[in-house]
Order: sequence, then C-alpha cells, then structure tokens
Amino acid sequence: AQTVTQSQPEMSVQEAETVTLSCTYDTSESDYYLFWYKQPPSRQMILVIRQEAYKQQNATENRFSVNFQKAAKSFSLKISDSQLGDAAMYFCAYRSIGGSTLGRLYFGRGTQLTVWP
Amino acid sequence: SAVISQKPSRDICQRGTSLTIQCQVDSQVTMMFWYRQQPGQSLTLIATANQGSEATYESGFVIDKFPISRPNLTFSTLTVSNMSPEDSSIYLCSVSKGPDTEAFFGQGTRLTVV
Repeated sequence: AQTVTQSQPEMSVQEAETVTLSCTYDTSESDYYLFWYKQPPSRQMILVIRQEAYKQQNATENRFSVNFQKAAKSFSLKISDSQLGDAAMYFCAYRSIGGSTLGRLYFGRGTQLTVWP
Repeated sequence: SAVISQKPSRDICQRGTSLTIQCQVDSQVTMMFWYRQQPGQSLTLIATANQGSEATYESGFVIDKFPISRPNLTFSTLTVSNMSPEDSSIYLCSVSKGPDTEAFFGQGTRLTVV
C-alpha cells in the first residue's frame, strides 16, 4: 500500500520569507501523481500544486514550487514570499493512476504552517 | 472544474442512530470517494463509490457500518450507521473526472456523536 510521510507536524515562517515543507512516500508503482493540498480553518481542501511522476521538471505555480526527487521518493513544497493567507494545514498526497487503487488519494498527516507578520 | 454540495454541513447525533450524508456534484464525474478526517488528523479514505455497483471499501471500513450509494454520475450518499462517539469526525466527499485530473472536495460534514 502507498504511504505518505510528513515529518514536520508544525512549521512557522516570517512573512515574505521562504519555507519548505517535506514529504516522502513509498510506492512500488512507476507512474503516479503527487499533490500538495492546503486546508484552512474553513475545512475546504484547496489544491496548491501537482506533479506527474513521469515529468522530470519540477512543477511551479506562482510562489509555490516543488522539489521532486523520484528515486528518493521525496516531494517537498517550497513557498516563497510567504503571505499571511498561506497559513493553513498542508497535506501531501499520492494518487494512483492505475491498478486496483486507481484514482485514490493517500494523504500524509499534514504540516500546520504558521505565518508571522 | 466541479462544484460539490455536501449536506449536512454539521450535525449532532445520538449514539446508536444513523446519519446519511449527501454529495451532489454540478457535473458528471467518473470518480467519487468518501474520506474521514478525525480532529486534527489527516484524511483517511473510507471507500470508492461505484456507480451502479457496490462500493469498494478500504481496510478497516465495512459496508454494514458505512453503506454507500451512488445511483448516478453526480450523486452519492454515505451513511454512518449505529453511531458511537468514536465516529465523531469530519466526513468529506471527493470527486474527479479521471485519475489524471484534479480531485475536488466538498466542504465536509462535521459529525458529533453524543
């Protein structure tokens, strides 16, 4: 079964600074998707960024970028120029795109990000 | 994209009773899933809701406790049966139009069992 590990239960960053959230995963599949979701207190899950495993290029989305290391099964999220609105719980997630677990998302335990003014 | 309406948004229920949560999507979707998020915890997949057939449950979840229906491509229900305080949690519906497309989430149902 796929497992996702986030080793940082909490992180904090000063506004305008950069922070990196870590994520590792375990899988025997060769093709899959990886995601970072943000969950503010409203409970709404918001997609931050996604990475296709077959793509070597790291995904970027404005101030958000990832460092995807497939061999190491590592998928970290970098938030640049942090803003107060970035404060939330961040979940790393793995998604199967084949086999018996097709389409299912498996989540890490989350990292609570605090942004200080 | 897909807009999800999940109802109820919250409920307080007596132990031993059942609650049915509805998930309505504004467009047809291939995949629908139900997740549970216990307080301060991550999301755990309960089951995949299959249209026209029985749901596929993850380890630790059974149909008698969490019966799921999916009569069409835009609607699903999850019932939490014979509730106990341990069932107090947030339940979320998630949908997508394919395994390689974005997954969208409902706003969740906060269930408290007393």
